[in-house]
Amino acid sequence: QVQLQESGPGLVKPSETLSLTCTVSGGSINNYYWSWVRQPPGKGLEYIGYIYHSGATNYNPSLKTRVTISLDTSKKQFSLNLNSVTAADTAVYYCARGEASSWPLYFDYWGQGILVTVSS
Amino acid sequence: DIQMTQSPSSLSASVGDRVTITCRASQSITTYVSWYHQKPGKAPKPLIYHASSLQDGVPSRFGGSGSGTDFTLTISSLQPEDFATYYCQQSYSTPYTFGQGTKLEIK
Repeated sequence: QVQLQESGPGLVKPSETLSLTCTVSGGSINNYYWSWVRQPPGKGLEYIGYIYHSGATNYNPSLKTRVTISLDTSKKQFSLNLNSVTAADTAVYYCARGEASSWPLYFDYWGQGILVTVSS
Repeated sequence: DIQMTQSPSSLSASVGDRVTITCRASQSITTYVSWYHQKPGKAPKPLIYHASSLQDGVPSRFGGSGSGTDFTLTISSLQPEDFATYYCQQSYSTPYTFGQGTKLEIK
């Protein structure tokens, strides 16, 4: 069974960098779109971006200047870095697997989510 | 960005009811829509992909339809575990976008 698990600090100071890691177990890294989605408290879901197993990335233009997603295939981990954070970046951050073997892509497995609060 | 608008935003229904949730895209997205449900404090779970394909393990009381700009999720006979928030999502073009959610509550 595929499982995803987010890890990282739950509190980040304004203007600093939010860094999260997602560890994948029970499945292959290949041929999937490893993604991040966030959800501010009490609000809806926002796509942040993905990295394909080849290393190709796609970012939401609303965050593009601040976000980097990277992949370590040997560790079966992918990471999110979001710099210059503000209170508006406070959210539950989910990692998810994008499945696209029979296009279109959809998110078939999700991590449990990690709440990241931006506050001094 | 493609905007996804769900209706209604909230809905009260009883166990055994048939329920329909609608999602409208701001432009044609062919059949590139998926549906998820989310319970409080939990991650979203996929129900339907490619507008009408049932995700493995999802009960057959869930069904999806539509193409172009208008899509529906139907639950044929509500069960207690179905009370949750439902989201549609388009994957026609990036940035992928979600509807604002429909909260399904017990009447």
